[in-house]
Amino acid sequence: GQNIDQPTEMTATEGAIVQINCTYQTSGFNGLFWYQQHAGEAPTFLSYNVLDGLEEKGRFSSFLSRSKGYSYLLLKELQMKDSASYLCAGMDSNYQLIWGAGTKLIIKP
Amino acid sequence: GAVVSQHPSWVICKSGTSVKIECRSLDFQATTMFWYRQFPKQSLMLMATSNEGSKATYEQGVEKDKFLINHASLTLSTLTVTSAHPEDSSFYICSAKRAAQSPGLAGGPTDTQYFGPGTRLTVL
Repeated sequence: GQNIDQPTEMTATEGAIVQINCTYQTSGFNGLFWYQQHAGEAPTFLSYNVLDGLEEKGRFSSFLSRSKGYSYLLLKELQMKDSASYLCAGMDSNYQLIWGAGTKLIIKP
Repeated sequence: GAVVSQHPSWVICKSGTSVKIECRSLDFQATTMFWYRQFPKQSLMLMATSNEGSKATYEQGVEKDKFLINHASLTLSTLTVTSAHPEDSSFYICSAKRAAQSPGLAGGPTDTQYFGPGTRLTVL
């Protein structure tokens, strides 16, 4: 079956660094997406990885290891506005997104 | 770029009435649009995938006669919740995937889904 696993909730301190992990099992693989979703709002696109390695985009970076079925989202210099849910989604061979349940990130002052 | 709008943002209706939600890609053409439903503190649930000019593909367990989807053009898809009941109250979100012929959008691959702001439906 297809499955995306990510922690339910994480807590971090403002100004710190946090890594949100995601493991995936999909039928075929056409990439791994990370989205940010603030409470009551729709998701917004953060990153896409299809090759192994680290993609850096400002304070956010995303890593992929296809052999391990593993990805992480790294957030640096955390700000209060980063408090949100972070959704990991794998794209299968039919180009369908398989969504994780999301990781709720709580930032404390 | 990659702006998707939804209308209305929220709607309250009586049980038994029908509600139409519009999803528009404002600055790109979308061959494929997706409709999701999200209950509080739960993950996104894909309801259906719609391609311009063809019938929508519904996920298992989603009643196609209750949730009517029309993808009339490359920039517009509509979801109509027919004979709505309180259990249909939810956050409905659309997303759009750009057509290959559209100008390139910075920051995402071809298969990135761009989400509308969502529609909160409350059925009394």
